Amino acid sequence: DQQVKQNSPSLSVQEGRISILNCDYTNSMFDYFLWYKKYPAEGPTFLISISSIKDKNEDGRFTVFLNKSAKHLSLHIVPSQPGDSAVYFCAASAGGGGSNYKLTFGKGTLLTVNP
Amino acid sequence: DARVTQTPRHKVTEMGQEVTMRCQPILGHNTVFWYRQTMMQGLELLAYFRNRAPLDDSGMPKDRFSAEMPDATLATLKIQPSEPRDSAVYFCASGLVRVAFFGQGTRLTVV
Repeated sequence: DQQVKQNSPSLSVQEGRISILNCDYTNSMFDYFLWYKKYPAEGPTFLISISSIKDKNEDGRFTVFLNKSAKHLSLHIVPSQPGDSAVYFCAASAGGGGSNYKLTFGKGTLLTVNP
Repeated sequence: DARVTQTPRHKVTEMGQEVTMRCQPILGHNTVFWYRQTMMQGLELLAYFRNRAPLDDSGMPKDRFSAEMPDATLATLKIQPSEPRDSAVYFCASGLVRVAFFGQGTRLTVV
């Protein structure tokens, strides 16, 4: 049972345009969501996160939107740059009073930004 | 520049051999995770520790895998005996609150 789903295995975007990566989740207990970027032969790198008490969080070119009613979040990258080409993972965790912060990951979306 | 350090980066071993992967978490982090990445399953959680105590190892094949934290600066993941299906990239991550920071991984190949 996949609790975090990234339904698009890949996405191709032109440099300078917006990249939108999507993620859906099924577990209503999830209250914290994260995006990681991964280059080949490296570990995932934390990008940005959002708590369920918010619906938007922004950090430079990266913005994450959370729609709790739809159990959906998205990562917007504006403007996209060739260096953004990587696999992007969505992850979620359930607080549970501080005792259970394990991260559940989606399978990732390969973003290619073309010059 | 604080980072999670994993050794070795690459390991090729024969089926049946014991494999030990090591991880040095970021100083001060109280949570350590072990993940495995495969093409089919993506990033799957094997085990995690809070303040060196195991909290969840339900994702780990118990008959051959074991995870420990002998002290706050070292986490180990052992496979004995190893099998070809264990070939994957194994990541260690550490965290303090809600965010985990990953090491560069150990690429394991069992032949």
